[in-house]
Amino acid sequence: IAGITQAPTSQILAAGRRMTLRCTQDMRHNAMYWYRQDLGLGLRLIHYSNTAGTTGKGEVPDGYSVSRANTDDFPLTLASAVPSQTSVYFCASSDGRDTGELFFGEGSRLTVL
Amino acid sequence: GQSLEQPSEVTAVEGAIVQINCTYQTSGFYGLSWYQQHDGGAPTFLSYNALDGLEETGRFSSFLSRSDSYGYLLLQELQMKDSASYFCAVRDRSNDYKLSFGAGTTVTVRA
Repeated sequence: IAGITQAPTSQILAAGRRMTLRCTQDMRHNAMYWYRQDLGLGLRLIHYSNTAGTTGKGEVPDGYSVSRANTDDFPLTLASAVPSQTSVYFCASSDGRDTGELFFGEGSRLTVL
Repeated sequence: GQSLEQPSEVTAVEGAIVQINCTYQTSGFYGLSWYQQHDGGAPTFLSYNALDGLEETGRFSSFLSRSDSYGYLLLQELQMKDSASYFCAVRDRSNDYKLSFGAGTTVTVRA
């Protein structure tokens, strides 16, 4: 069972470029999330989707957009990357049960120069 | 919004017991989760408390006191493989039940 697959694993990007981080899950979970992790700040929620066709803003949504065309895929797009978006990005999903459990991908390390 | 406080670092020897405290402030508290992360890899779920009391899962236990806005993760019989970062996370009604994470506690286990 693959769980959550993120791509790319790592990317160096010039400022101003557009970038899409891909996230696919095979668990048929309704809810999906994008977090960014920066040293000393823990994980901060960027955007989320409770179910296919819906999305919502998290704590730090500016500069990012998401779409949820189907259950399995939840891509995160940086329309015009800036150096402050240098971070590790984690995609996660949950099955909707009241357990407080998220299933995380391995992360995408993005460096914006 | 939500705020969580947990210690930044803890060091202990193999076989010891470590308690990681987490205090939180939130307007619609629903539950407290704990996650483990090794070397920047995928965070993995450890436990969840929605009600007051102690939840035990093997060597790890988690406690919650809703009246004190406080919880802790207890790591017993420490092993070298327990060296990792540990995050508490609150689930909040006012945040559409989404998880908000603390900054994390780095646990270092020494031989």
